[in-house]
Amino acid sequence: GQQLNQSPQSMFIQEGEDVSMNCTSSSIFNTWLWYKQDPGEGPVLLIALYKAGELTSNGRLTAQFGITRKDSFLNISASIPSDVGIYFCAGQLRAGGTSYGKLTFGQGTILTVHP
Amino acid sequence: EPEVTQTPSHQVTQMGQEVILRCVPISNHLYFYWYRQILGQKVEFLVSFYNNEISEKSEIFDDQFSVERPDGSNFTLKIRSTKLEDSAMYFCASSVSFATNEKLFFGSGTQLSVL
Repeated sequence: GQQLNQSPQSMFIQEGEDVSMNCTSSSIFNTWLWYKQDPGEGPVLLIALYKAGELTSNGRLTAQFGITRKDSFLNISASIPSDVGIYFCAGQLRAGGTSYGKLTFGQGTILTVHP
Repeated sequence: EPEVTQTPSHQVTQMGQEVILRCVPISNHLYFYWYRQILGQKVEFLVSFYNNEISEKSEIFDDQFSVERPDGSNFTLKIRSTKLEDSAMYFCASSVSFATNEKLFFGSGTQLSVL
């Protein structure tokens, strides 16, 4: 099946620093998504990307859908303590114009922000 | 804000026992999903469900698993005879329509422990 490689596995940064994480895939996706998971909670959607080359922002978050459709990155600018959590990339491949919500998740990036 | 509700939050069971995990998707959503996350690992797709039937399932979703929408609000995952390796956090998710079904809204999860 499709595999997503997400890096880095973990990051320890100081408050105010910028953060960058990325995902690569061996095969293409039609949609890339970035989720954040807080302890004991389900993943919460941060950004969704639908077109190759698309660059989308959500507040301090910026994500891009790679031109090859096999990669995506997420940047967080001016990090704050509440950015702490696990960030997951996820890809979706629509087949034949249909989509059943099957997302393939990356392994996650654990972000720690020191005040 | 509407949310996906899952009960119970924790479930402990003996190996070989049947468990039913319950979910109430967001009320106007039409697509329903189960994902699971083994401790420290990535989120994995189990099954998607639309119009009272399974749309897609993963290799994990074998004959021991079943899903049901018993009424207009609940969506359940049943594991007939639990195994130790079924221990995981199980997430229910829902999405509103075909056009936006990649935007999954996740519940907070049920932590299943099989002893």
